[in-house]
Amino acid sequence: AQSVTQPDIHITVSEGASLELRCNYSYGATPYLFWYVQSPGQGLQLLLKYFSGDTLVQGIKGFEAEFKRSQSSFNLRKPSVHWSDAAEYFCAVGARSGGSQGNLIFGKGTKLSVKP
Amino acid sequence: DVKVTQSSRYLVKRTGEKVFLECVQDMDHENMFWYRQDPGLGLRLIYFSYDVKMKEKGDIPEGYSVSREKKERFSLILESASTNQTSMYLCASSSTGRGNYGYTFGSGTRLTVV
Repeated sequence: AQSVTQPDIHITVSEGASLELRCNYSYGATPYLFWYVQSPGQGLQLLLKYFSGDTLVQGIKGFEAEFKRSQSSFNLRKPSVHWSDAAEYFCAVGARSGGSQGNLIFGKGTKLSVKP
Repeated sequence: DVKVTQSSRYLVKRTGEKVFLECVQDMDHENMFWYRQDPGLGLRLIYFSYDVKMKEKGDIPEGYSVSREKKERFSLILESASTNQTSMYLCASSSTGRGNYGYTFGSGTRLTVV
């Protein structure tokens, strides 16, 4: 079955420290991959996406993610976290073709807290 | 920028009321989705639609229905609201014209049923 796993429910990092949020997926073929961020009380905003090509993708707000086919992973990273990065982060996968094109499968999210 | 607009940010309704949540997108997207989000459960798909007048059940359709009479509008209907439908409701849209570009989300409607 297709699924997305975000192993960490809640992570706390100090401001200025580096960040890595994990995402693993189970899918029949290489899917499209996405990271979204949700600030409290808001909808989800797209941070970055991977379709093909370079496996290291850059996104907004200084985030990047690396696709590793052999590990079925798409981990999100940021070299230096800012207090405004405190939010919930969702990894998602989507089909490249077929009848389910347009549907995304979401992980359950990782809540990021930032210590001053 | 693509915009997905949900008509209300906050709603308070009484048990048994019929509730309409409206969602409008302005980029001619084919696909529209309704999710509910609850702490610890992530996003759960209620219904989605690939085209006008088409609808498909998601993972948790019970107690909900939808309507898509126009391409840009996708309405979620709670036929008889219950307290266990208190939640954050998120609408999203997407296009598959050139592959899966992911979703654009609305800001959400926080519904409280009392």
